[in-house]
Amino acid sequence: DAGVIQSPRHEVTEMGQEVTLRCKPISGHDYLFWYRQTMMQGLELLVYFNNKAVMDDSGMPKDRFSAKMPNASFSTLKIQPSEPRDSAVYFCASNFGGGLEAFFGQGTRLTVV
Amino acid sequence: AQSVTQLGSHVSVSEGALVLLRCNYSSSVPPYLFWYVQYPNQGLQLLLKYTSAATLVKGINGFEAEFKKSETSFHLTKPSAHMSDAAEYFCALYSGNTPLVFGKGTRLSVIA
Repeated sequence: DAGVIQSPRHEVTEMGQEVTLRCKPISGHDYLFWYRQTMMQGLELLVYFNNKAVMDDSGMPKDRFSAKMPNASFSTLKIQPSEPRDSAVYFCASNFGGGLEAFFGQGTRLTVV
Repeated sequence: AQSVTQLGSHVSVSEGALVLLRCNYSSSVPPYLFWYVQYPNQGLQLLLKYTSAATLVKGINGFEAEFKKSETSFHLTKPSAHMSDAAEYFCALYSGNTPLVFGKGTRLSVIA
């Protein structure tokens, strides 16, 4: 398997613009996680899905962030409008069963100027 | 609440020296514990995991960690550092119904 695939790898956008990050989990995995990594906060869990349904999005700023998983092989994280404080590396991860190890994508480095 | 504390955001060792990265956890139930490594511009990769079997766990690249319940610790060690070990290391905890909880990470530098 190719692993968890994220796109784009890098994104530079202007404040106020909409940004969409994409993730393809490992085939057969039923859990998908979105994390944000910053120097100050480390790795924060934003939202996670089980069988395409949102299980917990309490870590996600809901006024500007939205996450969807329209099918088992694709998820998006959208930020609208983007702000400079959203600059971070966003990771998608997946696993089977929710527990134990998670398999991470290579991340999307987002810069909002 | 479940939590992971990594002592030291940055550790620097000489090549060939012992590597010791500290991790303490808090969990209301017996935890599963993990160490992940992140190389520059890469995602996180699993180094090793403790899942309630042997308390001394061996991982990839010569790393190992020991689960000590009495100390609520899961420190990561390697007898001899190599330049290629320079990376960020994350300790993580799984305790039932919640996703992995990560520590803030420790950046390891290896000096030639």
